[in-house]
Amino acid sequence: DGGITQSPKYLFRKEGQNVTLSCEQNLNHDAMYWYRQDPGQGLRLIYYSQIVNDFQKGDIAEGYSVSREKKESFPLTVTSAQKNPTAFYLCASSIWGGSTGPNTEAFFGQGTRLTVV
Amino acid sequence: GQQVMQIPQYQHVQEGEDFTTYCNSSTTLSNIQWYKQRPGGHPVFLIQLVKSGEVKKQKRLTFQFGEAKKNSSLHITATQTTDVGTYFCAGLGGGGADGLTFGKGTHLIIQP
Repeated sequence: DGGITQSPKYLFRKEGQNVTLSCEQNLNHDAMYWYRQDPGQGLRLIYYSQIVNDFQKGDIAEGYSVSREKKESFPLTVTSAQKNPTAFYLCASSIWGGSTGPNTEAFFGQGTRLTVV
Repeated sequence: GQQVMQIPQYQHVQEGEDFTTYCNSSTTLSNIQWYKQRPGGHPVFLIQLVKSGEVKKQKRLTFQFGEAKKNSSLHITATQTTDVGTYFCAGLGGGGADGLTFGKGTHLIIQP
């Protein structure tokens, strides 16, 4: 089955802890993305990666970190520096169209709902 | 940076009425994509528009890309309860380097 998988579906974190959200894809896509979704706010880009061992900050990267050691995997760490981490986190992947950017659809995972307790 | 505005934020319609959501970008776009997110679900790709003035149809859905490639619209004719969800536009800037910028979405609520 081809697709993009996020885990866990639900995650609870104590204040001051770092947590890592998993994102794996077997679509052979070069580009991967992390978005944060809050009620009424749409999707905001946290980080994205076009190729292995390279990634770029999105609009709201502060308090987050990523790695791209393998093409298939793009984990997101929510650090204790993120002041308001409770949100729905979506990972996506797409074919990357070179300098013109992604030119095909983005495939989204099922999302991880993070709650700080 | 690039901004994509989408209106309205919420739209209530009676089943069978038409629905339109509008998307405007602060900069010229290379392309624009539309996604639908069902309640509790994740965004699913609907369509991509690339050419100036392009119009595409999918059954009851009509998508338009403005002549200046800075605005777009999605129109649904004769809504059905299965159309419920949030519709997002996502724009790709002219440079292409910054990935997709999503609008805040329009929540479509249908009353039977």
